[in-house]
Amino acid sequence: EADIYQTPRYLVIGTGKKITLECSQTMGHDKMYWYQQDPGMELHLIHYSYGVNSTEKGDLSSESTVSRIRTEHFPLTLESARPSHTSQYLCASSELGRSSYNEQFFGPGTRLTVL
Amino acid sequence: GDSVTQMEGPVTLSEEAFLTINCTYTATGYPSLFWYVQYPGEGLQLLLKATKADDKGSNKGFEATYRKETTSFHLEKGSVQVSDSAVYFCALSVGNTDKLIFGTGTRLQVFP
Repeated sequence: EADIYQTPRYLVIGTGKKITLECSQTMGHDKMYWYQQDPGMELHLIHYSYGVNSTEKGDLSSESTVSRIRTEHFPLTLESARPSHTSQYLCASSELGRSSYNEQFFGPGTRLTVL
Repeated sequence: GDSVTQMEGPVTLSEEAFLTINCTYTATGYPSLFWYVQYPGEGLQLLLKATKADDKGSNKGFEATYRKETTSFHLEKGSVQVSDSAVYFCALSVGNTDKLIFGTGTRLQVFP
């Protein structure tokens, strides 16, 4: 069973608020990811990190920012939330290895609603 | 660019029916292919994978074969159960990156 946690699970906030979505993993994985999942279910990579002090933007442009100060922690921040940010946010992690693919383990997600 | 196309849902079946969820892909290079499953209220779990042409991934009674000639990776199960009700995502990754490109997901509903 994957040990990757996200809090809060559900968040309803008003426009203009600053929010931080938390993601932590206890597997010692170097790589971590944030995906945005549309109401229609499609997932898009918005941020990823290869390790401490490494952050990269994903394939879908996002107004959110991320930080990676500790290996196990990869928080996502929205400085000023808008209704267009309403979505489900999924965090994932994987090992840093030489194979062409290392399995990504996903957290349960945070469902964000901005009013 | 790289992309994944999978059949739209929902797919509604009776218990013990045969399941096929179609998935085709477009990729430069030689992708690895995956099926992920998302149960209600949970994150995604890797269901099976195949990393080269003609490989067959299998898990929990589900199977999918990497078909390079048809650029397909269809998911099949011979006899579905109510507990298989979930959303299924086909995905690919290319090269040495772990970045996944997902299809739009297919919701499966199995009724007793």
